[in-house]
Amino acid sequence: DTEVTQTPKHLVMGMTNKKSLKCEQHMGHRAMYWYKQKAKKPPELMFVYSYEKLSINESVPSRFSPECPNSSLLNLHLHALQPEDSALYLCASSQGQGMNYGYTFGSGTRLTVV
Amino acid sequence: QQQVKQSPQSLIVQKGGIPIINCAYENTAFDYFPWYQQFPGKGPALLIAIRPDVSEKKEGRFTISFNKSAKQFSLHIMDSQPGDSATYFCAASQGSGYSTLTFGKGTMLLVSP
Repeated sequence: DTEVTQTPKHLVMGMTNKKSLKCEQHMGHRAMYWYKQKAKKPPELMFVYSYEKLSINESVPSRFSPECPNSSLLNLHLHALQPEDSALYLCASSQGQGMNYGYTFGSGTRLTVV
Repeated sequence: QQQVKQSPQSLIVQKGGIPIINCAYENTAFDYFPWYQQFPGKGPALLIAIRPDVSEKKEGRFTISFNKSAKQFSLHIMDSQPGDSATYFCAASQGSGYSTLTFGKGTMLLVSP
């Protein structure tokens, strides 16, 4: 299995809603990432988990809350989002040890905040 | 600040042409340089990558040229096809273990039939 699976593919939520994005990989990767991508822009790093511990938080607002329940799963909990948070949210994973061999990205969740 | 500068922003070539996308970096500690291909509505997919101890790498129709002294690298797509129309991102990272990618701003490639 060489995939990163993200659910849901599309999500529309109101500014008072609470929702979660899910990400799963079964490649044995020990580093997992959340990225945010706006249209016609490169992905922007949000969070990095290494061996299930939060290693990097790129000053992301607290309305985004990551969680890594185990080495295969990564969640992003959303609460009280703003319309400007509408974007493609990408999960990625990498080996997380030894030489860096790059990331595998999921297909993303297209989030629209209304 | 770590940066990777990518050009051009957009590119149109005819089928069979050889589009070339260029990237330049500043941080000499970077030791891994991947290229990602992204289709609309999809996540980026790793296309090809190079390390600074080689000057060129080919995988199928895709070639990376790397110039360590100039701190530049480029992607060439041989015999381009309409299905190659996508956004291409160069990136760079350093070190081992988990690492963060520094992305270029992307190039939108259109290959006309």
